[in-house]
Amino acid sequence: EVQLVESGGGLVQPGRSLRLSCAASGFTFDDYAMHWVRQAPGKGLEWVAGISWNSGSIGYADSVKGRFTISRENAKNSLYLQMNSLRGEDMALYYCAKDMQEQLDLGMDVWGQGTTVTVSS
Amino acid sequence: QSVLTQPPSVSAAPGQKVTISCSGSSSNIGNNYVSWYQQLPGTAPKLLIYDNNKRPSGIPDRFSGSKSGTSATLAITGLQTGDEADYYCGTWDSSLSAGVFGGGTKLTVL
Repeated sequence: EVQLVESGGGLVQPGRSLRLSCAASGFTFDDYAMHWVRQAPGKGLEWVAGISWNSGSIGYADSVKGRFTISRENAKNSLYLQMNSLRGEDMALYYCAKDMQEQLDLGMDVWGQGTTVTVSS
Repeated sequence: QSVLTQPPSVSAAPGQKVTISCSGSSSNIGNNYVSWYQQLPGTAPKLLIYDNNKRPSGIPDRFSGSKSGTSATLAITGLQTGDEADYYCGTWDSSLSAGVFGGGTKLTVL
C-alpha cells in the first residue's frame, strides 16, 4: 500500500524549532519529488516547500524562506522539514505529499494524514 | 491573497453540472501544468486532475479539467451530494520558483 506518514508535530513556543518527518512506503521513493503543504485552521492549502528526487531542485514559499529547510534521505525513504524561528502564523496541519514527477511539478497524487504544529507561549 | 484566483463558492442541484474557474498569469498557469484537488471535510486533499486534463486511476469521468491561456477550469457533471467539498487548483510558478494554490472553492450541492 502506498503510504505517507508524518510525525514530529506538537506544541512549540514562538521562536523555537521543530523538525517534521515523513516516512514513505509502497513506492520507489527516490523516483519522485516531494512536497510539504500546510493548512491553517479554517483556511486553504498553502504550499510550503518542495524537493526534487535527487535534492537537486528545492523551492520554498516566501513565507518560510530562510526559516524552513526541506531535505530528504532516499536510503531511509524519508522526507524532513526543519522549521526554525517559528511564528504564530506557522500554526497549521502540515501534509507531506508525493509528486507524480521526478522534478517539482505540483501534481501530488499521494498525501499523508498530516501532523499538527501549534505555536504558542 | 492567493496567486491563483478561484470563486469562494459555487452551488448546483444534484445531477447538474458545475464549473470552477482558476485564474493566474503567464508565470504559473500560462506555462505550467495545472492540478485540481478535492478536500472533503476533515480529510487530506485528493488529486482529481493533473497535467491540466488527466485523471488519476479511480477518478470518475464526471470530473474533467481544461486550460486556456492563463485560466483553468474544473467541470463536474452529474453532481452528487458526496461531491460537497472544497476544491483547489494548483500549479508551479516559474517566476516565484514555488508552488501555488488557489484560495479554494466550496461546492454546495443543493
